[in-house]
This record gives sequence, structure tokens and C-alpha cells, in this order.
Amino acid sequence: AQTVTQSQPEMSVQEAETVTLSCTYDTSESNYYLFWYKQPPSRQMILVIRQEAYKQQNATENRFSVNFQKAAKSFSLKISDSQLGDTAMYFCAFMKHIQGAQKLVFGQGTRLTINP
Amino acid sequence: DSGVTQTPKHLITATGQRVTLRCSPRSGDLSVYWYQQSLDQGLQFLIQYYNGEERAKGNILERFSAQQFPDLHSELNLSSLELGDSALYFCASSVRDIPDRELFFGEGSRLTVL
Repeated sequence: AQTVTQSQPEMSVQEAETVTLSCTYDTSESNYYLFWYKQPPSRQMILVIRQEAYKQQNATENRFSVNFQKAAKSFSLKISDSQLGDTAMYFCAFMKHIQGAQKLVFGQGTRLTINP
Repeated sequence: DSGVTQTPKHLITATGQRVTLRCSPRSGDLSVYWYQQSLDQGLQFLIQYYNGEERAKGNILERFSAQQFPDLHSELNLSSLELGDSALYFCASSVRDIPDRELFFGEGSRLTVL
């Protein structure tokens, strides 16, 4: 069963605009971790931002922030003042327990294009 | 540069063949993860090793196997290759055995099976 869902396969905005990428997940656990990873055309996966479920405060990293709604199991990424270099695939990821261990499960990704 | 090194970067082979992908984790990282990225399946977790021992298994086929050596580098062996095995294979590493912090990814090995 799909654990992490990104409902927007593609998005496109103009440079300097604000864009929000959606992510929902499914879990019965109370403590877990959520991540947004970026994969630019160079294809390397880069961590954008991380959220611990027990923290109510939304994580922020410069122009990147999240809206974490624990009850709704929603974890959206907001990119402010978007730049051309933000063009990439963005993956939402959730750390889950499986067979006594923990693994990172990724959504299908959202392809974001920033237009000049 | 994440500090994770994967070789080869590109590999083209034929169906039925066997290949080995290699990963050197960041200095000091004990945990290695393998992921497969294909167009239709997205990023799929394959397997994790921590300090030489298998820690977690995901959607890894029986034709695939992996190991982590005493020097902490890891190898992913893919045998009896099929067209559907064509994908980008990522290795990632972290200090702990729990991926609750950042995973550092290599640049991936792109495998094409003809």
C-alpha cells in the first residue's frame, strides 16, 4: 500500500513566485520523521528540510518551509521567492518501521519547473 | 558533493547478465541503503546494511543481493537481468542505523538492460 502520496505530478511557476507542493502520508505511529528531498537534473538527491512529528513547530530552512498537519497527515512544502535553481523533482519521504527496523519511504515525486 | 561514491555511473548490459554496483559511504557513516529509481515505480527501498549486517529489507528481488564489507563499502549484485531492471540505483549512507537524520545520496548508477 502506498504510504506517501504526492498528488501533483508536475507544477510550474514563474521565478520569484511562491509555490506549495503537497504530500500526505499514512501511518498509525505517533512519532516519526518526514523529509523533503530535491533531485535536480544532476540527479543527486539532496535533503531540503526535515520535520520531527513530535515537534509542533513547522520546520523552516531559508526560503523553504513546511506546513505540518499531524491530524490530517499532511506535510506540504512551501518555496518562497522561487529561483531557477529550484527546478527539480521534489520527493516527500516518511520514515516508517518495518520488520523491526526503520526505512525511508518516498512519494512518487513532483516535477517543479521555475520559469524565467 | 555528498561524499558518497558510486561506481559505475553508467552501465549497459544484456538480458541474462550479471552486474555489480559499488558504493563507498561517507567517511564515518556505518549505514548503507540501496534504492532503485525507475520511471513507473519511483524510488523503491531495496536493502539496508549497518556496520556489515543486514538491517532492513524492502522490495528487493531474489535475483538481487547485497553485502557490506569490513571497510564499510557495499556492493549490490544484480543477476539474470531483465529489461525491467533498467533503472537508476542509488546508494545512500548515514551515521546511525535509523534514517531519522539526513541520508546522503550518491549520484547513482544508471543501469540499462538491452
